[in-house]
Amino acid sequence: EAGVVQSPRYKIIEKKQPVAFWCNPISGHNTLYWYLQNLGQGPELLIRYENEEAVDDSQLPKDRFSAERLKGVDSTLKIQPAELGDSAVYLCASSKGPAPNIQYFGAGTRLSVL
Amino acid sequence: AQRVTQPEKLLSVFKGAPVELKCNYSYSGSPELFWYVQYSRQRLQLLLRHISRESIKGFTADLNKGETSFHLKKPFAQEEDSAMYYCALRAGNTPLVFGKGTRLSVIA
Repeated sequence: EAGVVQSPRYKIIEKKQPVAFWCNPISGHNTLYWYLQNLGQGPELLIRYENEEAVDDSQLPKDRFSAERLKGVDSTLKIQPAELGDSAVYLCASSKGPAPNIQYFGAGTRLSVL
Repeated sequence: AQRVTQPEKLLSVFKGAPVELKCNYSYSGSPELFWYVQYSRQRLQLLLRHISRESIKGFTADLNKGETSFHLKKPFAQEEDSAMYYCALRAGNTPLVFGKGTRLSVIA
């Protein structure tokens, strides 16, 4: 069984440019999460989807960040415009449903903003 | 708000020595606690959760509500245990809250 797939693995952009990350969850997993992991920190939740509905986006900086999961499967996370402080690893995770189901993580996208 | 504290950024032990990775949490209710591990060049994965009360790869962790701790222990460390370890807490349906992580280095 394929795990959570994220692309790209690495992305280098200049500040003020837009960037998008893609996530394909494990088949059958209705719940999808996007996390931000800064250097030396643990993952922090940005947004959680139940199917196509964003049920927890309180930590998503909505002035520059957006996310979508139109068909309740794949998801994209976008930053526009990117700032230097956005350099981090962006992790996607999925689970069969909300808590208490186990979350499975993707390999992450490492973003460097120059 | 819930908080998870892992006081050690780096822990180095010799192969065969006991290991204890510390985790303390702040939450007044009954939380669910987890340990996640990330080996070099691999993705973050669940190691164990307190409700399972199981031993995974020789690791165990006991929830101590009096001390609000969930320390990860292994009696004899192996080189392959070298990794980044994250303690995480979930309260009800709230999102997982992770600690900052501890890097375990097992020296041959």
